Amino acid sequence: GAGVSQTPSNKVTEKGKYVELRCDPISGHTALYWYRQSLGQGPEFLIYFQGTGAADDSGLPNDRFFAVRPEGSVSTLKIQRTERGDSAMYLCASSAGQGAYEQYFGPGTRLTVT
Amino acid sequence: GESVGLHLPTLSVQEGDNSIINCAYSNSASDYFIWYKQESGKGPQFIIDIRSNMDKRQGQRVTVLLNKTVKHLSLQIAATQPGDSAVYFCAEPSGTYKYIFGTGTRLKVLA
Repeated sequence: GAGVSQTPSNKVTEKGKYVELRCDPISGHTALYWYRQSLGQGPEFLIYFQGTGAADDSGLPNDRFFAVRPEGSVSTLKIQRTERGDSAMYLCASSAGQGAYEQYFGPGTRLTVT
Repeated sequence: GESVGLHLPTLSVQEGDNSIINCAYSNSASDYFIWYKQESGKGPQFIIDIRSNMDKRQGQRVTVLLNKTVKHLSLQIAATQPGDSAVYFCAEPSGTYKYIFGTGTRLKVLA
């Protein structure tokens, strides 16, 4: 079956621009997560959705970052006024529900801010 | 493909040998752990999990050992194959849904 998909796979943008990263979770998965991974590091939690609502956005680094999941399926991570330090791999994961369930990761979007 | 990390601890193993990857975790109250495999340019892939009421769990060619006394996990891969080359992360929960990932170990399989 289809796994988690993310688009685009690569995004190059200029400093100061706005970007949107999209995540399509596994069908039926109610929980969706965004992580950010810098080179040489493990993924770091950004935000968690249960259904349409952001249950925990404590990992978002600042107010330039925002994410939505309006219909409880597809999610978009939005970054305003991008900075070079935002360059990283952005990973999306989904799981069947809250709790210690296996999280299935997408292939990620590599964001490069020049 | 793009490298996941350039300065990770690296374990080099001859093809056919067994690999042991280690991980120290931080929270003694953690009750669940996962090992993920991440190939270059891809997202992490679930390998095996273990709950804290177990000290060993076996999968296909993989075994995870948990030592709660010293807060240590290990992943053993039997008869390592070239396709096992990747970065391996252990992850422990933070709360009921977040995971904290370790820094990872790069496994290189030598032909």
